[in-house]
Amino acid sequence: DTEVTQTPKHLVMGMTNKKSLKCEQHMGHRAMYWYKQKAKKPPELMFVYSYEKLSINESVPSRFSPECPNSSLLNLHLHALQPEDSALYLCASSHPGRQGAQPQHFGDGTRLSIL
Amino acid sequence: GQQLNQSPQSMFIQEGEDVSMNCTSSSIFNTWLWYKQDPGEGPVLLIALYKAGELTSNGRLTAQFGITRKDSFLNISASIPSDVGIYFCAGRTYSGGGADGLTFGKGTHLIIQP
Repeated sequence: DTEVTQTPKHLVMGMTNKKSLKCEQHMGHRAMYWYKQKAKKPPELMFVYSYEKLSINESVPSRFSPECPNSSLLNLHLHALQPEDSALYLCASSHPGRQGAQPQHFGDGTRLSIL
Repeated sequence: GQQLNQSPQSMFIQEGEDVSMNCTSSSIFNTWLWYKQDPGEGPVLLIALYKAGELTSNGRLTAQFGITRKDSFLNISASIPSDVGIYFCAGRTYSGGGADGLTFGKGTHLIIQP
């Protein structure tokens, strides 16, 4: 079982809906990440939080809004999504570490479908 | 942006055979990671490499961090049916901010024929 828990596992929403994806870890990690993965493709980085502050935004559209309310939780708020946003959304966490040395541990993802 | 070239894209092997896959990059990475992803699950970390030239094993898996820091390989010995899945290499640089995202290769799809 993964130590990074993502909910829900599956989400179907219309283009006008507002929903949120949630991620939780209790490994004491202070860096958390959102990735997007399309079918048969590798994960692509969206956002990085370090010590609860947004440190990297990979030019993600504003219809995706991340939030890190505390060191254990990471949310991704969704609004007015497009059909091409349908994908597996993966959360990961790690110790920020020195020299980027700490590996990232992934959750099992939320499978998002936009109607 | 940085790109990783992972090969082969897919492998069809017989149970018991050894497997080898590799990743190359035009950029230097500080860390190389190898993950396996099964359908409906997230990537699971197999091996992490932190130093150029480092050779690390995890059971039947062996991986090496290339001396130029621009490549890495993963070997699987005596493959078994549960080795089926998609294997990703991932590289990480250090920007000084303490946390950096990963750049992934396109994956190697391992299929084991009975």
